Amino acid sequence: NAGVTQTPKFQVLKTGQSMTLQCAQDMNHEYMSWYRQDPGMGLRLIHYSVGAGITDQGEVPNGYNVSRSTTEDFPLRLLSAAPSQTSVYFCASSYRTGRLHSGNTIYFGEGSWLTVV
Amino acid sequence: AQKVTQAQTEISVVEKEDVTLDCVYETRDTTYYLFWYKQPPSGELVFLIRRNSFDEQNEISGRYSWNFQKSTSSFNFTITASQVVDSAVYFCALSEGRTGRRALTFGSGTRLQVQP
Repeated sequence: NAGVTQTPKFQVLKTGQSMTLQCAQDMNHEYMSWYRQDPGMGLRLIHYSVGAGITDQGEVPNGYNVSRSTTEDFPLRLLSAAPSQTSVYFCASSYRTGRLHSGNTIYFGEGSWLTVV
Repeated sequence: AQKVTQAQTEISVVEKEDVTLDCVYETRDTTYYLFWYKQPPSGELVFLIRRNSFDEQNEISGRYSWNFQKSTSSFNFTITASQVVDSAVYFCALSEGRTGRRALTFGSGTRLQVQP
């Protein structure tokens, strides 16, 4: 059981380049989300999805696109990278319904470190 | 709107000291979930505990304990007899209880340094 897998782990981009951060989970979770972590600000929600074909914006969506064509995958796209998008990105997943308990909680990937120069 | 405040930016203690990390939250929901995560220098997020709003029972797990008080909207985390391996950034987070939306609102984190 791989859990939540993010790739790549490290990436350096030039301003204006595009790239996609991949996120995959093998737990059949309906809910998936992307966060970014900046120094001194904790994690902030970028986009989320409550199921295949459904996405919505979080707190800081500008500059990012997402899609959810399958339950397993939730890629995050940077269409034209900017230095302000230098950050650590975390993908998370969980079941959509039901109470959160030991068998139903929110799982995080290991993070993707992105630098835009 | 939800908000999580971790007023302590950085704490430094000497090994074997007890330390408490504060967390104060704001929410209009009557059902919600509170979390603590640990982020060691390697960068991953390690889940520590989840607490439901309808269960105010405090919890102890080894050297870790959590004090949840709805009356003061606080969910504080205590490490007893701290160790160097406890050095990390600790995040408190809040999730609303409505089904379908598992978005977490994070505090800004508290960096704990345990000196040998």
